[in-house]
Amino acid sequence: AQKITQTQPGMFVQEKEAVTLDCTYDTSDPSYGLFWYKQPSSGEMIFLIYQGSYDQQNATEGRYSLNFQKARKSANLVISASQLGDSAMYFCAMGPSGGSYIPTFGRGTSLIVHP
Amino acid sequence: KAGVTQTPRYLIKTRGQQVTLSCSPISGHRSVSWYQQTPGQGLQFLFEYFSETQRNKGNFPGRFSGRQFSNSRSEMNVSTLELGDSALYLCASSTDLSSYEQYFGPGTRLTVT
Repeated sequence: AQKITQTQPGMFVQEKEAVTLDCTYDTSDPSYGLFWYKQPSSGEMIFLIYQGSYDQQNATEGRYSLNFQKARKSANLVISASQLGDSAMYFCAMGPSGGSYIPTFGRGTSLIVHP
Repeated sequence: KAGVTQTPRYLIKTRGQQVTLSCSPISGHRSVSWYQQTPGQGLQFLFEYFSETQRNKGNFPGRFSGRQFSNSRSEMNVSTLELGDSALYLCASSTDLSSYEQYFGPGTRLTVT
């Protein structure tokens, strides 16, 4: 069984500063993917970034980067230069890379960006 | 390109009734997945349809079912509604089966009284 843990229910950051949202995972699958979604107050989930378990380099998408530490089973999301529009819930999730795809989501972290 | 649309946006039903939710994916997307989001259980995967066939299924009772049509539109049905079925039901579409990059709709807020 897969498990995602997000230990920070809420985070605050000043505009233009960087912030790290923590995510740890547990799985017995030899191959898997980790990804992050953002959910603004409007409710729609927005895909941010993906990291495969065999990827050698950390994934980067614009201001988002995924700090993947396989030995520590962590996949933290780093948002650089925070903007007011980054205020939202952030979900870490994982799924196997092949076979039956049943994604598992964490409970989420609420990020508030202060001006 | 139009995004994923879900209808209705809000729904109130009584225990024991059944409900059908609809999802229209982004044009060209062949995969549709459904999720349930509640404060207590968080976001949980229900099932995924691709080419009119259910390909993946989460751990939900048989009261939850779905189907996909030839135009990739999908419906989700919940029979014999329970209070615990009150949730935000999200639909997501993607170009491929089992894709991590999914495009979500705004959801249907179901309240069971």
